[in-house]
Amino acid sequence: TQLLEQSPQFLSIQEGENLTVYCNSSSVFSSLQWYRQEPGEGPVLLVTVVTGGEVKKLKRLTFQFGDARKDSSLHITAAQTGDTGLYLCAGANQAGTALIFGKGTTLSVSS
Amino acid sequence: DTEVTQTPKHLVMGMTNKKSLKCEQHMGHRAMYWYKQKAKKPPELMFVYSYEKLSINESVPSRFSPECPNSSLLNLHLHALQPEDSALYLCASSQDRLAEYNEQFFGPGTRLTVL
Repeated sequence: TQLLEQSPQFLSIQEGENLTVYCNSSSVFSSLQWYRQEPGEGPVLLVTVVTGGEVKKLKRLTFQFGDARKDSSLHITAAQTGDTGLYLCAGANQAGTALIFGKGTTLSVSS
Repeated sequence: DTEVTQTPKHLVMGMTNKKSLKCEQHMGHRAMYWYKQKAKKPPELMFVYSYEKLSINESVPSRFSPECPNSSLLNLHLHALQPEDSALYLCASSQDRLAEYNEQFFGPGTRLTVL
């Protein structure tokens, strides 16, 4: 069974701090996606990482895909209150028929 | 247009009511999905439609009945729901169910409360 272990589950930090969220699996994924979701809204796709070792940047967010394509990380530099939300990693199952989600990381950034 | 729309935004219904949730996308995507999400949890897959045919039903109770009238529309008919069915219901679409990266785009959701 393919699983995505996401950590930490909850994170509460001050504005200006840096943080990293991890998404790990014992299975190889052809790609991993990161979503951000605000309360009462749908998840918004932030990035898809495809190639092992790939690094993608989205302003203050840096996404990395592990060399073996079994893990990924999301690093936020100088967090802002607007970064508050639920961060989800997801990957396609082996049949390619559905997404497997990690349990999510609830991030709270206070001023 | 990269938008998935859902109506209504909020829905309150009694256990004997019949209601429907609607989802629409105009991205030419051929796969559409229904998810159920509880607070601070990841979305749970309910149904997958591919080329307007139901391809996955994740053992969802029959009080939830999906319908795909055409390639742009997806409905979820609700009947005799229970209070534990209260949740955020999300619709998503992707280019193709078996697309290499299966990037899914989500709608804003319908917040359902069952009294």
